[in-house]
Amino acid sequence: QGQLVQPGVEVKKPGASVKVSCKASGYPFTTYDINWVRQATGQGLEWMGWMNPNNGGAVYEKTFQGRVTMTRDTSTNTAYMELSSLRSEDTATYYCVRGAIYFSGSGTRNYGMDVWGQGTTVTVSS
Amino acid sequence: EIVLTQSPDTLSLSPGERATLSCRASQSVDSNQLAWYQQKPGQAPRLLICGASTRVPGIPDRFSGGGSGTDFSLTISRLEPEDSAVYYCHRYGPSPRTFGQGTKVEI
Repeated sequence: QGQLVQPGVEVKKPGASVKVSCKASGYPFTTYDINWVRQATGQGLEWMGWMNPNNGGAVYEKTFQGRVTMTRDTSTNTAYMELSSLRSEDTATYYCVRGAIYFSGSGTRNYGMDVWGQGTTVTVSS
Repeated sequence: EIVLTQSPDTLSLSPGERATLSCRASQSVDSNQLAWYQQKPGQAPRLLICGASTRVPGIPDRFSGGGSGTDFSLTISRLEPEDSAVYYCHRYGPSPRTFGQGTKVEI
């Protein structure tokens, strides 16, 4: 089925960078996209971007372009999300999530995000 | 950018009742890209439905999805106390892969 494991907590000062890891197990790492989603306390879900672990290609939501970098290490089956120039508004829980394809009875390819890491709480505070 | 708007913001119902949640897109969305997630307090979201109406393995059959184009819905046919959660619709397609703002279901 698969599992994604993230560190629990990161504390950073404004202006610093954070690099969140996401270690995959239980499935072929390079076969499934990895998305990153964040959620501020009491708020909704915000999609940040996705990465293809097979070739390392990434697409970022425009809100984060220039500040976010998504990478991977295929030797350890680990994805990374680095966010720079942190500000207090970046305080949130950051999830890595596997993208998957499910086939309907008619053979249609349907898309969703089926395996979620437990989330990394990033606190930005001076 | 396609915006997803969910309604209502909050739904308060009793056990055994039927819940219908709406997700409206600002532009037409391919049905195979529309998914629904459930999030309980302190937990990561869980995928319930993809392709607008395909229930993923392990999800009870009281959850069903439907709709097409710009109007989609999630129905919980017989509410159980453990269904208390926030439900999000999501478009998993060309970037940006946006979420609705969520509907809180209180039981």
